[in-house]
Amino acid sequence: KAGVTQTPRYLIKTRGQQVTLSCSPISGHRSVSWYQQTPGQGLQFLFEYFSETQRNKGNFPGRFSGRQFSNSRSEMNVSTLELGDSALYLCASTATSGTSGELFFGEGSRLTVL
Amino acid sequence: DQQVKQNSPSLSVQEGRISILNCDYTNSMFDYFLWYKKYPAEGPTFLISISSIKDKNEDGRFTVFLNKSAKHLSLHIVPSQPGDSAVYFCAASEAAGNKLTFGGGTRVLVKP
Repeated sequence: KAGVTQTPRYLIKTRGQQVTLSCSPISGHRSVSWYQQTPGQGLQFLFEYFSETQRNKGNFPGRFSGRQFSNSRSEMNVSTLELGDSALYLCASTATSGTSGELFFGEGSRLTVL
Repeated sequence: DQQVKQNSPSLSVQEGRISILNCDYTNSMFDYFLWYKKYPAEGPTFLISISSIKDKNEDGRFTVFLNKSAKHLSLHIVPSQPGDSAVYFCAASEAAGNKLTFGGGTRVLVKP
């Protein structure tokens, strides 16, 4: 079956702009999590959605937000972009919330902020 | 505050030999531990996991050991193969959650 699909794969924005990233989970998976990967901070948890509800949130400013739709697809939005937001944004899905972490990751969306 | 640490950023090993990757954690609330492998331009791929009620879990060439008293886990790959060359991440989660806390990763190079 198809894996986790993230779009766009690459994008370039300038400071102050906003960006929306999309994630389609594996069919049947209802939990979607987002992670940010940077060379300095590694992989950091952003948030998790399950059945359209945010279940968990990481330590990121309010400029980072997300949502999940009834078909389990998820979007994350970053407003007022800063240079430090340049990163690989990874989406991961799993069948249920609370399955102790065996996540299936997409290939990521690489964001460059100029 | 790094709750999960991988102190070796890189490891080089000969094909056929054992690769040992180490990971330390500080949060005693972690009760599930995982290893992921990541190739360039791909997302991390789940390798193996272990619950805090166990001290060893084996899956083919991969074995994970957990020492709760030392808050330490390790991944053994034997025998190592060139296709194992990748970045390996240790991760941990607390009960009933999909929030993973990752270590910084160890880049493994297996030489033919």
